Parts: sequence; C-alpha cells; structure tokens
Amino acid sequence: ILNVEQSPQSLHVQEGDSTNFTCSFPSSNFYALHWYRWETAKSPEALFVMTLNGDEKKKGRISATLNTKEGYSYLYIKGSQPEDSATYLCASQTSYDKVIFGPGTSLSVIP
Amino acid sequence: GAVVSQHPSWVICKSGTSVKIECRSLDFQATTMFWYRQFPKQSLMLMATSNEGSKATYEQGVEKDKFLINHASLTLSTLTVTSAHPEDSSFYICSARARGRGGIQPQHFGDGTRLSIL
Repeated sequence: ILNVEQSPQSLHVQEGDSTNFTCSFPSSNFYALHWYRWETAKSPEALFVMTLNGDEKKKGRISATLNTKEGYSYLYIKGSQPEDSATYLCASQTSYDKVIFGPGTSLSVIP
Repeated sequence: GAVVSQHPSWVICKSGTSVKIECRSLDFQATTMFWYRQFPKQSLMLMATSNEGSKATYEQGVEKDKFLINHASLTLSTLTVTSAHPEDSSFYICSARARGRGGIQPQHFGDGTRLSIL
C-alpha cells in the first residue's frame, strides 16, 4: 500500500449503535499513526497518536487499535451519539516531518 | 490549550492578485508548521512543511515560487499564493506542532481558508 486508505468512505448509524472503521497505511517506514475528528465548520481535532504495534488507546467511548506489521488501524465508537457525527481522518507519519492523510470516513449518527 | 488561529477564513479576489494567509499558534511554540490543500471530496494534501528559522520543505509537484512559505517565528507561519489564478482556488489549512517527542505529537489545526480566484 503506497497511500493511506480509509474505509468505508461514509457511514450512517442509528444513535446507540457501535461502529468501527479502518485505516490502512504503508507498513514500511512506520513512524506513527494519527487519528483526527473533523466536525463541520470546525478544525480537525486530534484524537490519538499511536506508535507501538498492538497498542490500544481509549478516549471516552472512542478507542483505536494499531497493527504496524500489517499496516492497519481500527477506530471504534461505542454507543454512537449525534455529536459523534464528523469525518474521521487517519494519518500515517513516516518520518519526523512526513505525515500523509487518508481521505477520511464520514460518520452520520441518526437520532 | 493548543489553539491555532488562521486567517483570513475566506478570500475572494481577482486573477493575478497575491494572497497571504497567516497561521498563528496562540498558546504554544510551534517549531513545525504544515500547510495543506484540500480539493473537493478529497483528502488533505500536504503542500509543505516548515520549521522555524529554516526554509520550507515542499512536496513534489508544489511550486515553491507559487506558494511562498515563511516561518519567521515560533508562533507565525505565512503562505503567500503569488499571482493567483482560478486553478489555485481551493481550501487551504495549516497546522502547528510543538517541539519534542521526536516529532510524534498531534498537529493542531487552524480553521482553514477558502480561496476563490475570479
């Protein structure tokens, strides 16, 4: 994989449902993996920065896992709420200054 | 904390005009600033990275003479789109990163600038 890919492109879930999406990134030259949440009319907000294979991070109802050997990360949202509606971006950092963003997963939580 | 201010948020100007966009870190020292461009329905595309006091490092395909980046202080970076043309119309967004941890730090983003060239 040469680029950072995210799936699905968009997602609609009912309030209360749990959901997850995927980020695939080049496993070579791995430095760090970032997740951001980008709400409409706001600036992207950092969620997690992950570096260790097998690492899992959690922030409230949101958690993320990392597999650096196979080049993927999952983001999980438990009990989705309307305020979780946003575009979720992952970014692969391959060196001190090189960060490549994926296209994002757009999440809509229906009340 | 970690607030980044970017302005202007919206610019409409005539073809041939040069446009300057400012990116300021308000409550931390940003040793590294990043400039991105986003085309409709596409990802954030890294244009260049600048470290305070150094020349910016441009990504392949980004014209240095077209997109002038200055990072003169630890709190301010500017992007100047010189002699802008309609094809330069886009959404431009900056981010700033503090020193430390070998660069493994989150980026803090501005709100972006919507540039429309007539």
